[in-house]
Amino acid sequence: DGGITQSPKYLFRKEGQNVTLSCEQNLNHDAMYWYRQDPGQGLRLIYYSQIVNDFQKGDIAEGYSVSREKKESFPLTVTSAQKNPTAFYLCASNGREGSTDTQYFGPGTRLTVL
Amino acid sequence: RKEVEQDPGPFNVPEGATVAFNCTYSNSASQSFFWYRQDCRKEPKLLMSVYSSGNEDGRFTAQLNRASQYISLLIRDSKLSDSATYLCVVGGGTSYGKLTFGQGTILTVHP
Repeated sequence: DGGITQSPKYLFRKEGQNVTLSCEQNLNHDAMYWYRQDPGQGLRLIYYSQIVNDFQKGDIAEGYSVSREKKESFPLTVTSAQKNPTAFYLCASNGREGSTDTQYFGPGTRLTVL
Repeated sequence: RKEVEQDPGPFNVPEGATVAFNCTYSNSASQSFFWYRQDCRKEPKLLMSVYSSGNEDGRFTAQLNRASQYISLLIRDSKLSDSATYLCVVGGGTSYGKLTFGQGTILTVHP
Protein backbone atom coordinates (compact mmCIF):
# COMPACT_ATOMS: atom_id res chain seq x y z
CA ASP A 1 0.00 0.00 0.00
CA GLY A 2 1.21 3.48 -0.82
CA GLY A 3 1.21 6.02 1.94
CA ILE A 4 2.91 7.83 4.76
CA THR A 5 3.83 6.06 7.96
CA GLN A 6 4.85 7.56 11.27
CA SER A 7 6.22 5.83 14.30
CA PRO A 8 5.75 5.48 17.13
CA LYS A 9 2.07 6.31 17.52
CA TYR A 10 2.57 7.32 21.15
CA LEU A 11 5.82 8.47 22.73
CA PHE A 12 6.64 9.43 26.29
CA ARG A 13 9.75 11.38 27.08
CA LYS A 14 11.38 12.58 30.24
CA GLU A 15 12.40 16.19 30.46
CA GLY A 16 15.91 16.77 29.14
CA GLN A 17 15.82 13.90 26.65
CA ASN A 18 16.01 14.15 22.89
CA VAL A 19 13.61 11.98 20.91
CA THR A 20 13.35 11.22 17.20
CA LEU A 21 10.06 10.77 15.39
CA SER A 22 10.06 8.69 12.23
CA CYS A 23 8.30 9.58 8.96
CA GLU A 24 8.48 7.41 5.86
CA GLN A 25 6.65 7.70 2.54
CA ASN A 26 6.57 5.44 -0.50
CA LEU A 27 4.64 7.86 -2.70
CA ASN A 28 7.76 9.12 -4.49
CA HIS A 29 6.97 12.67 -3.31
CA ASP A 30 9.78 15.20 -3.32
CA ALA A 31 8.47 17.58 -0.64
CA MET A 32 7.88 16.60 2.98
CA TYR A 33 6.72 18.57 6.01
CA TRP A 34 6.51 18.41 9.79
CA TYR A 35 3.72 20.09 11.74
CA ARG A 36 2.69 20.19 15.36
CA GLN A 37 -0.87 20.52 16.55
CA ASP A 38 -1.91 21.65 20.01
CA PRO A 39 -5.45 21.20 21.36
CA GLY A 40 -7.92 23.60 19.77
CA GLN A 41 -5.33 25.01 17.42
CA GLY A 42 -4.44 24.69 13.79
CA LEU A 43 -1.34 22.98 12.49
CA ARG A 44 1.92 24.91 12.70
CA LEU A 45 4.83 24.22 10.37
CA ILE A 46 8.08 23.13 12.02
CA TYR A 47 10.34 22.20 9.09
CA TYR A 48 9.95 21.30 5.45
CA SER A 49 12.13 19.74 2.78
CA GLN A 50 11.67 20.21 -0.94
CA ILE A 51 14.36 17.76 -1.98
CA VAL A 52 16.90 15.32 -0.59
CA ASN A 53 19.70 16.92 1.45
CA ASP A 54 17.82 20.22 1.69
CA PHE A 55 15.42 21.49 4.35
CA GLN A 56 14.08 24.82 5.55
CA LYS A 57 12.81 26.14 8.87
CA GLY A 58 9.10 26.66 9.22
CA ASP A 59 7.31 28.96 11.63
CA ILE A 60 8.28 27.21 14.88
CA ALA A 61 11.64 25.48 14.26
CA GLU A 62 13.30 26.35 17.58
CA GLY A 63 14.09 23.23 19.60
CA TYR A 64 13.68 20.89 16.62
CA SER A 65 16.03 19.41 14.03
CA VAL A 66 15.53 17.33 10.88
CA SER A 67 17.47 15.47 8.23
CA ARG A 68 16.65 14.40 4.68
CA GLU A 69 19.23 11.84 3.61
CA LYS A 70 16.75 9.80 1.58
CA LYS A 71 13.71 10.81 -0.45
CA GLU A 72 11.52 8.43 1.49
CA SER A 73 12.49 9.52 4.98
CA PHE A 74 12.23 12.79 6.94
CA PRO A 75 12.86 12.19 10.67
CA LEU A 76 12.22 14.90 13.25
CA THR A 77 14.23 15.22 16.45
CA VAL A 78 12.63 17.02 19.37
CA THR A 79 15.51 18.30 21.47
CA SER A 80 15.65 19.22 25.12
CA ALA A 81 15.72 22.86 24.01
CA GLN A 82 12.05 22.65 22.99
CA LYS A 83 10.26 24.23 25.95
CA ASN A 84 6.82 22.75 25.45
CA PRO A 85 7.14 19.59 23.36
CA THR A 86 3.92 17.82 24.36
CA ALA A 87 1.81 17.85 21.20
CA PHE A 88 0.49 15.86 18.26
CA TYR A 89 3.13 15.71 15.51
CA LEU A 90 2.09 15.24 11.91
CA CYS A 91 4.25 14.48 8.90
CA ALA A 92 3.02 15.21 5.38
CA SER A 93 4.22 14.91 1.81
CA ASN A 94 3.19 16.84 -1.27
CA GLY A 95 1.35 15.17 -4.11
CA ARG A 96 -0.82 16.05 -7.08
CA GLU A 97 -4.63 16.14 -6.73
CA GLY A 98 -6.01 16.97 -10.16
CA SER A 99 -4.25 20.16 -11.20
CA THR A 100 -3.31 21.19 -7.67
CA ASP A 101 -0.41 20.25 -5.42
CA THR A 102 -1.72 19.23 -2.04
CA GLN A 103 -0.52 17.55 1.11
CA TYR A 104 -1.25 14.12 2.48
CA PHE A 105 -0.67 13.30 6.13
CA GLY A 106 0.66 10.39 8.09
CA PRO A 107 -1.29 9.13 11.13
CA GLY A 108 0.72 11.24 13.57
CA THR A 109 2.75 10.74 16.74
CA ARG A 110 1.49 11.91 20.13
CA LEU A 111 4.42 13.02 22.25
CA THR A 112 4.01 13.50 25.98
CA VAL A 113 6.74 14.87 28.20
CA LEU A 114 6.58 13.48 31.72
CA ARG B 1 -4.47 39.17 12.41
CA LYS B 2 -4.28 35.41 11.81
CA GLU B 3 -3.35 34.32 8.30
CA VAL B 4 -6.37 32.02 8.10
CA GLU B 5 -9.39 32.59 10.33
CA GLN B 6 -12.33 30.34 10.95
CA ASP B 7 -15.26 30.40 13.33
CA PRO B 8 -14.26 27.63 15.78
CA GLY B 9 -17.88 26.74 16.54
CA PRO B 10 -18.92 24.27 17.75
CA PHE B 11 -21.78 23.82 15.34
CA ASN B 12 -24.41 21.40 16.60
CA VAL B 13 -26.96 20.44 13.95
CA PRO B 14 -29.57 17.69 13.50
CA GLU B 15 -29.28 15.06 10.83
CA GLY B 16 -30.50 16.33 7.50
CA ALA B 17 -29.62 19.96 8.20
CA THR B 18 -27.62 22.21 5.93
CA VAL B 19 -24.61 23.87 7.53
CA ALA B 20 -22.13 26.42 6.19
CA PHE B 21 -18.60 27.21 7.33
CA ASN B 22 -16.72 30.36 6.47
CA CYS B 23 -13.07 31.20 6.35
CA THR B 24 -11.04 34.32 5.56
CA TYR B 25 -7.38 34.56 4.62
CA SER B 26 -4.99 37.51 4.75
CA ASN B 27 -2.42 36.80 2.02
CA SER B 28 -3.80 38.09 -1.27
CA ALA B 29 -1.05 36.21 -3.15
CA SER B 30 -2.41 32.83 -2.01
CA GLN B 31 -2.92 30.45 -4.89
CA SER B 32 -4.40 27.22 -3.57
CA PHE B 33 -7.29 26.56 -1.25
CA PHE B 34 -8.56 23.45 0.46
CA TRP B 35 -10.92 22.04 3.03
CA TYR B 36 -9.56 19.21 5.16
CA ARG B 37 -11.52 17.07 7.58
CA GLN B 38 -10.00 15.90 10.85
CA ASP B 39 -11.61 13.27 13.06
CA CYS B 40 -10.85 13.20 16.77
CA ARG B 41 -7.22 12.24 17.44
CA LYS B 42 -6.61 11.46 13.77
CA GLU B 43 -4.68 13.09 10.97
CA PRO B 44 -6.30 15.65 8.63
CA LYS B 45 -7.62 14.24 5.38
CA LEU B 46 -8.28 16.20 2.22
CA LEU B 47 -11.98 16.80 1.74
CA MET B 48 -11.81 18.94 -1.38
CA SER B 49 -9.81 21.55 -3.19
CA VAL B 50 -11.53 24.90 -3.74
CA TYR B 51 -11.56 26.58 -7.14
CA SER B 52 -12.53 30.09 -8.18
CA SER B 53 -15.47 28.75 -10.16
CA GLY B 54 -16.76 26.89 -7.13
CA ASN B 55 -16.95 23.13 -6.98
CA GLU B 56 -19.23 20.45 -5.70
CA ASP B 57 -18.65 16.90 -4.53
CA GLY B 58 -21.86 15.15 -3.62
CA ARG B 59 -23.33 16.90 -0.57
CA PHE B 60 -20.36 19.26 -0.26
CA THR B 61 -20.00 22.56 -2.08
CA ALA B 62 -17.00 24.86 -1.79
CA GLN B 63 -16.79 28.47 -2.91
CA LEU B 64 -13.89 30.90 -3.24
CA ASN B 65 -14.13 34.68 -3.44
CA ARG B 66 -10.68 36.02 -4.21
CA ALA B 67 -11.76 39.67 -4.09
CA SER B 68 -13.03 39.27 -0.53
CA GLN B 69 -10.40 36.64 0.40
CA TYR B 70 -13.16 34.37 1.60
CA ILE B 71 -13.74 30.63 1.36
CA SER B 72 -16.85 28.69 2.27
CA LEU B 73 -17.97 25.09 2.66
CA LEU B 74 -21.61 24.05 2.50
CA ILE B 75 -22.73 20.64 3.70
CA ARG B 76 -26.24 19.57 2.71
CA ASP B 77 -28.27 16.75 4.24
CA SER B 78 -25.85 16.33 7.17
CA LYS B 79 -25.06 12.80 8.30
CA LEU B 80 -23.90 11.63 11.72
CA SER B 81 -20.64 10.64 10.04
CA ASP B 82 -20.00 14.27 9.06
CA SER B 83 -19.18 15.05 12.70
CA ALA B 84 -15.56 16.19 12.67
CA THR B 85 -13.37 19.27 12.66
CA TYR B 86 -13.18 21.05 9.32
CA LEU B 87 -9.92 22.84 8.54
CA CYS B 88 -9.67 25.71 6.09
CA VAL B 89 -6.26 25.59 4.40
CA VAL B 90 -4.54 28.11 2.16
CA GLY B 91 -1.36 27.66 0.16
CA GLY B 92 1.01 29.38 -2.21
CA GLY B 93 2.08 32.97 -2.36
CA THR B 94 5.33 32.35 -0.50
CA SER B 95 7.34 29.19 0.02
CA TYR B 96 6.97 26.18 -2.22
CA GLY B 97 4.12 23.94 -1.13
CA LYS B 98 3.70 25.66 2.21
CA LEU B 99 0.16 25.50 3.60
CA THR B 100 -1.37 27.63 6.32
CA PHE B 101 -4.10 26.06 8.42
CA GLY B 102 -7.03 27.63 10.17
CA GLN B 103 -7.76 26.46 13.70
CA GLY B 104 -10.71 24.40 12.52
CA THR B 105 -14.48 24.44 12.93
CA ILE B 106 -16.03 21.71 15.03
CA LEU B 107 -19.20 20.12 13.67
CA THR B 108 -21.41 17.75 15.62
CA VAL B 109 -24.38 16.19 13.84
CA HIS B 110 -26.92 14.67 16.24
CA PRO B 111 -29.86 12.30 15.61
